[in-house]
Amino acid sequence: GGIITQTPKFLIGQEGQKLTLKCQQNFNHDTMYWYRQDSGKGLRLIYYSITENDLQKGDLSEGYDASREKKSSFSLTVTSAQKNEMAVFLCASSPNWGGYAEQFFGPGTRLTVL
Amino acid sequence: GDSVTQTEGQVALSEEDFLTIHCNYSASGYPALFWYVQYPGEGPQFLFRASRDKEKGSSRGFEATYNKETTSFHLQKASVQESDSAVYYCALGTGGNEKITFGAGTKLTIKP
Repeated sequence: GGIITQTPKFLIGQEGQKLTLKCQQNFNHDTMYWYRQDSGKGLRLIYYSITENDLQKGDLSEGYDASREKKSSFSLTVTSAQKNEMAVFLCASSPNWGGYAEQFFGPGTRLTVL
Repeated sequence: GDSVTQTEGQVALSEEDFLTIHCNYSASGYPALFWYVQYPGEGPQFLFRASRDKEKGSSRGFEATYNKETTSFHLQKASVQESDSAVYYCALGTGGNEKITFGAGTKLTIKP
């Protein structure tokens, strides 16, 4: 088996601050994802990456940057934190089987903006 | 574009009740259909998948049958337990596209 680790578990920042969330996986999966989950809502895709150094925008990419420097890691940067984007950010990975493969999720990073 | 609709936002049942959570989808061709479960404080976990018409997926007593005619993949369990309290997500994926489209989720609460 494998595991996805997200750091930090809780992130508190000031409005307008640049903040970075990190994700590591040891499944050796090709594809990694970042989702945002607002309280009581579903998952919205921010960015995904199908291989090292690849980046693909999701439905909610505005205001975020991402980086996939290694196969095992995928970082997300909130470029200017806003109070209306307080949420849980979930990282996931999957084998490179197109849309037919299940995704494995990390425990999430909860973002609070003061 | 592809979409997934979960009819119920919240479901409240008692232990040993029968569960149905409705999921309908819109996509071209034969998408793969998934159910995920999310417990408080955790990320979603894959429950099971089906990828062709009339295929049944199942895990941990939950099951759903792919129905292309009605574009549905309803989650069922014969006898729920308090430990089944969680949020359940229906999702779909299509070949050649790494993205999975998630429904809005259904919060299941089981009263002891």
